[in-house]
Amino acid sequence: QSALTQPPSASGSPGQSVTISCTGTSSDVGANNYVSWYQQHPGKAPKLMIYGVTKRPSGVPDRFSGSKSGNTASLTVSGLQAEDEADYYCSSYAGNNNPRVFGTGTRVTVL
Amino acid sequence: EVQLVQSGAEVKKPGESLKISCKGSGYRFTTSWIGWVRQMPGKGLDWLGIIYPGDSDTRYSPSVQGQVTISADKSVSTAYLQWSSLRASDTAMYYCAKVGFSGYEADYWGQGTLVTVSS
Repeated sequence: QSALTQPPSASGSPGQSVTISCTGTSSDVGANNYVSWYQQHPGKAPKLMIYGVTKRPSGVPDRFSGSKSGNTASLTVSGLQAEDEADYYCSSYAGNNNPRVFGTGTRVTVL
Repeated sequence: EVQLVQSGAEVKKPGESLKISCKGSGYRFTTSWIGWVRQMPGKGLDWLGIIYPGDSDTRYSPSVQGQVTISADKSVSTAYLQWSSLRASDTAMYYCAKVGFSGYEADYWGQGTLVTVSS
């Protein structure tokens, strides 16, 4: 089972929007609505930002939104702020023989 | 408040065994899956496996099947990750994470345990 594919980097100026893609297959991303997104700042544990493709946990700003089309999920960060600079990982359920798989990760830089 | 508290950093030699822990509190430990995630130095996140403490049902990622053992002791609300023979390539930060209500997302994370394997 390969990792889901994400672009290595993305960037935007404060106030702009950035969208990160997460491409899998019909066996993982395309097979269910269990895609989640995590933010990780350097030296810190990951933090859940989006689950169930589009849902935000309590406390996550509504600047963060998720979507999915076919085998590709996306995370959009609107109104970029300096504190959004971090690594972002997608994850998907991948069936009983491989309970979860992460994406390769995207470093978001706020210019 | 949900908390996952992991055991401290470890320095081991190749071939040694190791068991690290993750103690959950603030929620019903037996009815939420707990997962283990590896992050090698400068690299991304890898799911290792998940366990349901209520009945110890365990699922492993194919990439680590047979290389690690995940277990749980519900009497002390603690999950474990263990190795019988460490390799240098096991050097990494290891996180435990509680799986959320929907059953698929990691909604709370431990602080991480750094494992260093070096001769």
